[in-house]
Amino acid sequence: DAGVIQSPRHEVTEMGQEVTLRCKPISGHDYLFWYRQTMMRGLELLIYFNNNVPIDDSGMPEDRFSAKMPNASFSTLKIQPSEPRDSAVYFCASGGQGSYEQYFGPGTRLTVT
Amino acid sequence: GEDVEQSLFLSVREGDSSVINCTYTDSSSTYLYWYKQEPGAGLQLLTYIFSNMDMKQDQRLTVLLNKKDKHLSLRIADTQTGDSAIYFCAESPGYGGSQGNLIFGKGTKLSVKP
Repeated sequence: DAGVIQSPRHEVTEMGQEVTLRCKPISGHDYLFWYRQTMMRGLELLIYFNNNVPIDDSGMPEDRFSAKMPNASFSTLKIQPSEPRDSAVYFCASGGQGSYEQYFGPGTRLTVT
Repeated sequence: GEDVEQSLFLSVREGDSSVINCTYTDSSSTYLYWYKQEPGAGLQLLTYIFSNMDMKQDQRLTVLLNKKDKHLSLRIADTQTGDSAIYFCAESPGYGGSQGNLIFGKGTKLSVKP
């Protein structure tokens, strides 16, 4: 398996624009997680899904953030409109039922100017 | 709420042992983890320990858990320059079981000097 795949790897956009981050989890994994990493706040869980259903979205910072998982092999995290304070590295991770490990993707580095 | 604390930096010489410490607050945590992040990459699980264990050894890695003090440590024996990375401690709150929300510390940046 290729591991968790995220795209794009880097995104630079202007304030006010819509940003869509994409994730393909490892095939067969039931759980999918979106994290945000910044120097100030470290690694924060934004939302996670189990069998494509959102389980906990309490970490989503504002209504500008939304996440979907239309099927078992694809998820998106959308920010609309984007703001400079959204600049961070966004990680997607997946895990299998009964597994203790979350497998992380390489991340998307987002810069909002 | 849950919180995980780590020191931010550690510098050691190649060949020495490194000890990275972590404290956590949730006494119901069932699993505790150490993840490693190399520059420009995602996090990779190094090892984990069940809360009913005191110690776990895996090659050069030794994890010690003091549940009474809610203190977790990671010892890397014979530290190499390739061990330079950021190390994250994480806990899994009891309500989430083996999956679900992981609470991460801010990470300890380990620098290994030749």
